[in-house]
Amino acid sequence: DAGITQSPRHKVTETGTPVTLRCHQTENHRYMYWYRQDPGHGLRLIHYSYGVKDTDKGEVSDGYSVSRSKTEDFLLTLESATSSQTSVYFCAISESGSLDTQYFGPGTRLTVL
Amino acid sequence: GNSVTQMEGPVTLSEEAFLTINCTYTATGYPSLFWYVQYPGEGLQLLLKATKADDKGSNKGFEATYRKETTSFHLEKGSVQVSDSAVYFCALSDQSGNQFYFGTGTSLTVIP
Repeated sequence: DAGITQSPRHKVTETGTPVTLRCHQTENHRYMYWYRQDPGHGLRLIHYSYGVKDTDKGEVSDGYSVSRSKTEDFLLTLESATSSQTSVYFCAISESGSLDTQYFGPGTRLTVL
Repeated sequence: GNSVTQMEGPVTLSEEAFLTINCTYTATGYPSLFWYVQYPGEGLQLLLKATKADDKGSNKGFEATYRKETTSFHLEKGSVQVSDSAVYFCALSDQSGNQFYFGTGTSLTVIP
């Protein structure tokens, strides 16, 4: 199994509070991704990174920001959480981008009350 | 733009039945195509992939052929087992960028 961990695994928070989710990898892969999974929508890309300090937006990036200061860590921040951001969040990594296999973390279940 | 359309679920089959899950795509250029599987409570795992037209991906008895003329990548298995119960996602990669696009997923339940 690829070495990917996500923390926390579960979080309940209130509307308007900031939340940061962490993805950590031990594979030294260049690319890292954040997705959200919602019923009826499958997985949707939030942001991705193609190197340290190099990030770009996915299709559902509004309300989210990311940072990558080290190869192994990719942080997803909800500046002011809303109920519509209640979801399961998955981190993924790949070695060489879009033509390569993605390896997924175990997910973080976030509930915004 | 890029998109993936999968057949609606849930799908319920008896053990040893034949499985087909339909997937069609819209993409510019020449994407790579993937099937991922998600078991309960876990992240997604790659099941198989195909990187060019007419390629056949296969793994664990599952197969899918990249059909450019019909823009399809249907998943098939000749004889399903209870352990195949999971959610299956079709996906494509963006040839010109760094993004993946997933279908909505098809839930499969196999009963003994």
